[in-house]
Amino acid sequence: KAGVTQTPRYLIKTRGQQVTLSCSPISGHRSVSWYQQTPGQGLQFLFEYFSETQRNKGNFPGRFSGRQFSNSRSEMNVSTLELGDSALYLCASREGDRLASEQYFGPGTRLTVT
Amino acid sequence: KNEVEQSPQNLTAQEGEFITINCSYSVGISALHWLQQHPGGGIVSLFMLSSGKKKHGRLIATINIQEKHSSLHITASHPRDSAVYICAVRSGNQFYFGTGTSLTVIP
Repeated sequence: KAGVTQTPRYLIKTRGQQVTLSCSPISGHRSVSWYQQTPGQGLQFLFEYFSETQRNKGNFPGRFSGRQFSNSRSEMNVSTLELGDSALYLCASREGDRLASEQYFGPGTRLTVT
Repeated sequence: KNEVEQSPQNLTAQEGEFITINCSYSVGISALHWLQQHPGGGIVSLFMLSSGKKKHGRLIATINIQEKHSSLHITASHPRDSAVYICAVRSGNQFYFGTGTSLTVIP
C-alpha cells in the first residue's frame, strides 16, 4: 500500500494570504489527524477527522480549519497567515476510530510565511 | 505546564552503546507513542503502548502506568539510529508531545 502523501511538500506564502494543504491517507484508513511542528513549540495537535466529521480539535485559533472528504482525503486551511504560522505541517492516518490505534505519518508540508 | 517531559534533551553515544530515553507524563492516557524523526522531517511511529513492554529489533519500550513513566531503550546503538525521538501521549481527545530527545551516535 502507498503511504500517507501530502501536497505540496514546500510552500512560500506572504503574510495575510491563505493556504490550503492536502493529505491523502493510506488506502482504507478513515481517520486523519493534523499536527504543526515549529522549533519553538515542537509538535502540536491541530485536529482530527473521522468519516468526514471533526472529532477533536487542539488549541489553535479559528484561522486554522480543516475538512475531510468522502474518500478520506483531508485538507487544512490557514487564513490570514502570520509569520508564526511558518512550520512543518504533518498529517497522519489510522485505520479506524480507536483513539489509541497506530498512526502513520506523511512527509509533511513545510510552509514558510514571509 | 508541559503534560509530557522527556530527558535527556540531547544525547551523544558511541556506536554499540546502550541508550535510554525517558518520558514522564502528568495526564491520564489511553496510549503512549514513541516516534522517530530524521533530519528532513519525516516521522515514523516506533511503538504504541498502553501497558507493559514491547520489543522491535534493537528497540525496547516500556511503560509504568502507575508511575506515569515510559522508557525507550536502544541496544547496540548504530549511527543510523541518530534522530530525534519524541514521546507522545493520547489523553482523552487530545494528543500531547514531548519536546524530543536528539540522539547522535558516533561511529
